[in-house]
Amino acid sequence: SQQGEEDPQALSIQEGENATMNCSYKTSINNLQWYRQNSGRGLVHLILIRSNEREKHSGRLRVTLDTSKKSSSLLITASRAADTASYFCATGGTGKLIFGQGTTLQVKP
Amino acid sequence: GAVVSQHPSWVICKSGTSVKIECRSLDFQATTMFWYRQFPKQSLMLMATSNEGSKATYEQGVEKDKFLINHASLTLSTLTVTSAHPEDSSFYICSAPPRGAVAYNEQFFGPGTRLTVL
Repeated sequence: SQQGEEDPQALSIQEGENATMNCSYKTSINNLQWYRQNSGRGLVHLILIRSNEREKHSGRLRVTLDTSKKSSSLLITASRAADTASYFCATGGTGKLIFGQGTTLQVKP
Repeated sequence: GAVVSQHPSWVICKSGTSVKIECRSLDFQATTMFWYRQFPKQSLMLMATSNEGSKATYEQGVEKDKFLINHASLTLSTLTVTSAHPEDSSFYICSAPPRGAVAYNEQFFGPGTRLTVL
């Protein structure tokens, strides 16, 4: 079963703009991960945030985690056409990951 | 980072035939690997956990006799879709946490296998 919801399901922006996508989950977590998937390809790990962290940065990515609301957000700043992909949050225990529904991001040049 | 490969990257087969998909960890050992299935425009759903030296464990609703998993070595797991039907057409992705990984949820994904059953 899916862990939670992601919104928006689809997002279309112009190159240079920021993209924000949100993820909610249902159960307690140790950490939350974000992955990117280009069309028809495998997953690329972007960032992991632990349950005792509130914010984490990696390059143009910023992830926040609010365990009281059971939600996380991924912000991509200064987007590029190459950022066009689907983005998934994932939580897991004992190594098994449960993925959110995903947000499909289109960045127009 | 660690590399996980899958073979084949895509396969087309006739209904009723069996298809084997391989998942290999190329530069690390993995006692456990995971198999996911992804239908078009949907998220990944965990199918089963492949355990080296023991039986695989399947998620609820996944038929173990239809999706045979064999974890033959510390670097290879295979998923065999038996008597495939068109509804089995999907994107199959494996993942593996490195053996002894401190953060057990640190996993590496294969590039996926696109199965089309005619």
